[in-house]
Amino acid sequence: EPEVTQTPSHQVTQMGQEVILRCVPISNHLYFYWYRQILGQKVEFLVSFYNNEISEKSEIFDDQFSVERPDGSNFTLKIRSTKLEDSAMYFCASSVTGYEQYFGPGTRLTVT
Amino acid sequence: AQSVTQLGSHVSVSEGALVLLRCNYSSSVPPYLFWYVQYPNQGLQLLLKYTTGATLVKGINGFEAEFKKSETSFHLTKPSAHMSDAAEYFCAVTRDSNYQLIWGAGTKLIIKP
Repeated sequence: EPEVTQTPSHQVTQMGQEVILRCVPISNHLYFYWYRQILGQKVEFLVSFYNNEISEKSEIFDDQFSVERPDGSNFTLKIRSTKLEDSAMYFCASSVTGYEQYFGPGTRLTVT
Repeated sequence: AQSVTQLGSHVSVSEGALVLLRCNYSSSVPPYLFWYVQYPNQGLQLLLKYTTGATLVKGINGFEAEFKKSETSFHLTKPSAHMSDAAEYFCAVTRDSNYQLIWGAGTKLIIKP
């Protein structure tokens, strides 16, 4: 069964460093998303991406964040200058229709 | 703005007992509703969804949920709990004009032997 994959599973970085989180969505899916879950808090929407452009982004998704679909299969989330409060589990999701979203296993980002 | 409330951060049931996890939502338009499950150290797996049509929806692992518009609820049930059901369960709703998911805080289901 096709599934969304994410790498790495755990990333440790120092404050101020750039990180790139990678996702491979399910191959025939058209909608892509990033969410995050800070430990003990709700899952929060970051950004949605369709037709090679951002379709919506939340207030969390400021200028420090960017997304890219560089090669038609990968979908990346970049954080330019990480802060301590960026420590969270980051989930990638993809969807055919935009409603039924399938999630990857997540990347745990720890900023020290 | 849409929101989702899950009553009870932890629910404990005995193996074989009924599972009932509560979810209420607020929405100005008919919502699309979802339940996801997260097993320890794993991602979010779609359990079931309501989009249109039949208000009682069946999902994987014997779970089902009923959309009740008058009560703005979408409670998750399973007739007989199994030890393997121990996980965290999240209710989510789509927003009005786009497809981002708005999430509840999650309910951790504990199964007692």
